Amino acid sequence: DAKTTQPPSMDCAEGRAANLPCNHSTISGNEYVYWYRQIHSQGPQYIIHGLKNNETNEMASLIITEDRKSSTLILPHATLRDTAVYYCIAVNTGTASKLTFGTGTRLQVTL
Amino acid sequence: DGGITQSPKYLFRKEGQNVTLSCEQNLNHDAMYWYRQDPGQGLRLIYYSQIVNDFQKGDIAEGYSVSREKKESFPLTVTSAQKNPTAFYLCASRDRDYNSPLHFGNGTRLTVT
Repeated sequence: DAKTTQPPSMDCAEGRAANLPCNHSTISGNEYVYWYRQIHSQGPQYIIHGLKNNETNEMASLIITEDRKSSTLILPHATLRDTAVYYCIAVNTGTASKLTFGTGTRLQVTL
Repeated sequence: DGGITQSPKYLFRKEGQNVTLSCEQNLNHDAMYWYRQDPGQGLRLIYYSQIVNDFQKGDIAEGYSVSREKKESFPLTVTSAQKNPTAFYLCASRDRDYNSPLHFGNGTRLTVT
């Protein structure tokens, strides 16, 4: 699976959009981009995933660049409960995968 | 409710003792995973299993062992050979369809003194 790179931390004011970037410059054609988040001392929670089209669900939107080398997770109206570590991973869905996680981005939402 | 149950939430052991962490899922998922997380760090893969009676080493398998005798269960044993066993352990599962997300349990925090 391709390696992903994320900034270690970001801040966002409550009510504003949080835009979390992820670089995956070596991603291959059959690798999906998945996003998870982990609130302190809990198991990570799935947020969204996509291949090349932009995706939206009730939690977030995922914007993938046309060359697929990077993506952005958007939380449209961040709340204090969105404070968490966000992980971006690339997953080869054509084969069994080890599914390894990096260190993610710690998002701090403030008043 | 379907989900993944890890027990216990907190576990304390003396150095030199083996300890087994439980992971049970009722999601009918084929694949199961064990991760280790240290403070301020990401998740590191210990072992994973794609199907019953089969499992593979992850990135940090030394000092750990697993079994997969039943589809719903994937216990992890932390042996006395593991040099730094104190950590937060997470179990996850997903469907055979590889385009399906991981579902995580809420973890077991192991402290070895």
